[in-house]
Amino acid sequence: GAVVSQHPSRVICKSGTSVKIECRSLDFQATTMFWYRQFPKKSLMLMATSNEGSKATYEQGVEKDKFLINHASLTLSTLTVTSAHPEDSSFYICSARGGGTSGDNEQFFGPGTRLTVL
Amino acid sequence: RKEVEQDPGPFNVPEGATVAFNCTYSNSASQSFFWYRQDCRKEPKLLMSVYSSGNEDGRFTAQLNRASQYISLLIRDSKLSDSATYLCVVTGDSSYKLIFGSGTRLLVRP
Repeated sequence: GAVVSQHPSRVICKSGTSVKIECRSLDFQATTMFWYRQFPKKSLMLMATSNEGSKATYEQGVEKDKFLINHASLTLSTLTVTSAHPEDSSFYICSARGGGTSGDNEQFFGPGTRLTVL
Repeated sequence: RKEVEQDPGPFNVPEGATVAFNCTYSNSASQSFFWYRQDCRKEPKLLMSVYSSGNEDGRFTAQLNRASQYISLLIRDSKLSDSATYLCVVTGDSSYKLIFGSGTRLLVRP
């Protein structure tokens, strides 16, 4: 099956620093990648949709200047949380679309990155 | 009103029990429906898609009622390994935008 990796799996940082999270599709080309955020005991919330070579589309209420998304290739998207604050502490999960045996519509999820901002 | 609503549980059942989860969604234009499973501190994994005709995969049966905007998941002969959170997921305004419910937690005890 299609594999999506994320790095790092866990990060602890001081308030005010920026954190970059990488999402890679390892065995397929992802036409679209998605970034989600999940707070404890809450549902996954889509933050933004990213297509290779174009600007990301952000969901309502998500600050594009705070959550910078770059999708430079068909196998890599990055999310940078700029000037992180404790309220940004969350589980960030990416998914990639395209290349699955069930067709291009299936999304394959990365293992997630747990961010803790002190 | 939430776009996808689920009973958070937890459902605490003995091994071998049959358990059913329900989910309602608000967007009548949603076209695709899924159940995902999420283990603690892990990413969600697709369990099965849900079709109007209903579909079964081993011990798991999913049903969709478009008129009532209602989705169900039935698990028969529960195993300890079924303990997880089950997420009801529907597509949103576009076919690739997934809207997640907050999940129903299942605990299967020996």
